[in-house]
Amino acid sequence: ETGVTQTPRHLVMGMTNKKSLKCEQHLGHNAMYWYKQSAKKPLELMFVYSLEERVENNSVPSRFSPECPNSSHLFLHLHTLQPEDSALYLCASSQERTELWGYTFGSGTRLTVV
Amino acid sequence: EDQVTQSPEALRLQEGESSSLNCSYTVSGLRGLFWYRQDPGKGPEFLFTLYSAGEEKEKERLKATLTKKESFLHITAPKPEDSATYLCAVLQDGSEKLVFGKGTKLTVNP
Repeated sequence: ETGVTQTPRHLVMGMTNKKSLKCEQHLGHNAMYWYKQSAKKPLELMFVYSLEERVENNSVPSRFSPECPNSSHLFLHLHTLQPEDSALYLCASSQERTELWGYTFGSGTRLTVV
Repeated sequence: EDQVTQSPEALRLQEGESSSLNCSYTVSGLRGLFWYRQDPGKGPEFLFTLYSAGEEKEKERLKATLTKKESFLHITAPKPEDSATYLCAVLQDGSEKLVFGKGTKLTVNP
């Protein structure tokens, strides 16, 4: 365990379903991130939260909806996804938003949209 | 145009066969260059941050170096447990967004 816990580890959902991904950190970090990792592509930043406030939305479709109720928890709500949204979704945290000591990543949720 | 390019895409080594992975970047005003290791089914694990040309950092069999245009991750006498995908990322001056490369998949055969 890295200190960042993601659930579920695997998720299969239909295109009409609604599901949520959960991320939890108890490292005392102030910034949390959602990344998408697809095969043969670099990690893509989706959302950044700093002190529970969304500070960046990297042109992500509205079918992805983040929520950060407190500094320890981050959710990614999913609805009416497309098959091309199948990927590994990674949550990360850092002490500050411009952290030069590196991010701590969770193990990810492997999402398959059918 | 990719800002961070890693090569090779995949590398197979025999145990004990030293080699290097490359990360070239085109951003101006580098704040930091990061190396991560990612094992299958897991998230990336932070290895190093390099801040300026000429800097070197070491961890066990790994040594990272930085020039003004690229970074190398040298692996000395690798072991099978060093098999993983190694990711490079850069943080540019004035930006708060890490830009990642596609990674190099390293396989070390016993």
